[in-house]
Amino acid sequence: DVKVTQSSRYLVKRTGEKVFLECVQDMDHENMFWYRQDPGLGLRLIYFSYDVKMKEKGDIPEGYSVSREKKERFSLILESASTNQTSMYLCASSFSLLLAGNTEAFFGQGTRLTVV
Amino acid sequence: SQELEQSPQSLIVQEGKNLTINCTSSKTLYGLYWYKQKYGEGLIFLMMLQKGGEEKSHEKITAKLDEKKQQSSLHITASQPSHAGIYLCGADATNYGQNFVFGPGTRLSVLP
Repeated sequence: DVKVTQSSRYLVKRTGEKVFLECVQDMDHENMFWYRQDPGLGLRLIYFSYDVKMKEKGDIPEGYSVSREKKERFSLILESASTNQTSMYLCASSFSLLLAGNTEAFFGQGTRLTVV
Repeated sequence: SQELEQSPQSLIVQEGKNLTINCTSSKTLYGLYWYKQKYGEGLIFLMMLQKGGEEKSHEKITAKLDEKKQQSSLHITASQPSHAGIYLCGADATNYGQNFVFGPGTRLSVLP
């Protein structure tokens, strides 16, 4: 089974702290994604990466950065956490950037981040 | 940017009842995905539709994509408490996969 593992299920951080959210997948997928999910807004794409050291901004990249040093690991970084970044963060990976066809995205279990 | 709408926003049904959730786009979709999320957990892939008029079933869940590829419905037959959760539709808004979007979700509760 494909596994996408996020390092923490729950995280509480203080305003201004630097926060790292880690995601690891074990299926040798090229593409990895970070989303945040907020009530009433659904899932929104923050950043995605289609290869090691390659990254692209999604719809809401402000306040975030990412790192993809190894194929299996995609990190989301909050340089200076703010209360409006309190959210559920979901990592996903897929074999192809094309999410059509027989390709599907596999999601991690999510990290619920609270910034106080 | 591409937007997906879902209706209803939330749904409460008695166990054993049938229900339908809809997902609508103003633009042609290149792939339509249905996911289920249990509260506070990750997403579980249910099924994917690509061709106009396509219909897929898995256990008691059936998903359809209309001929214009702008609307999809998810139908659950004889609902059970295990069906409870948030159902999200997601779609490729382009044919190169760089604009994958999700609907806002439909929260389903099934009363025993």
